[in-house]
Amino acid sequence: DTGVSQNPRHKITKRGQNVTFRCDPISEHNRLYWYRQTLGQGPEFLTYFQNEAQLEKSRLLSDRFSAERPKGSFSTLEIQRTEQGDSAMYLCASSLPGQAQPQHFGDGTRLSIL
Amino acid sequence: AQSVTQLDSQVPVFEEAPVELRCNYSSSVSVYLFWYVQYPNQGLQLLLKYLSGSTLVKGINGFEAEFNKSQTSFHLRKPSVHISDTAEYFCAVIYLSGGYNKLIFGAGTRLAVHP
Repeated sequence: DTGVSQNPRHKITKRGQNVTFRCDPISEHNRLYWYRQTLGQGPEFLTYFQNEAQLEKSRLLSDRFSAERPKGSFSTLEIQRTEQGDSAMYLCASSLPGQAQPQHFGDGTRLSIL
Repeated sequence: AQSVTQLDSQVPVFEEAPVELRCNYSSSVSVYLFWYVQYPNQGLQLLLKYLSGSTLVKGINGFEAEFNKSQTSFHLRKPSVHISDTAEYFCAVIYLSGGYNKLIFGAGTRLAVHP
């Protein structure tokens, strides 16, 4: 049973650089979610895909952030012109259809901005 | 605003003692409730969930939680903890208010089990 896979696990970059993270969901899950978790806080919702359609975006997702899921399978989250405040753990989750279906989380990508 | 409050940021406890981690949510609308556990440098693992039916739900690793609608609470309990239960615990809620309903998390409770 392969779970949700996220790459890279850690990313260190200089302020102003662009970064891209990848998430591979569980294969039969058509829903995919991105969350951001800062130190000492719970995860905060960023965006949600059903298949390839991005159905909801949080106000936290500024115009420097973009997420895609082109073929309804893996997803990428790109941050352009990174800022210090972008330092966080970025978590991806996937689920089967339906609000009652639990979300399964990957181990996250930890982003550190120098 | 829809929110989740975990009343204790840290809970120290001795091994084999009972523990309760408290969670309250903000609204009386219908909800789904979840508890997740997070070990260092890992993602979140589902412990248990309440969708409907019996208000006492049992999860993995000997944890259980009780849904109390009148008090808008969903406290997590374990009768006897182990060192390996040391982790961060997150309560999460889906408010069933129409449309897509996202998970809203509390700030977490760090459970520290001491020998």
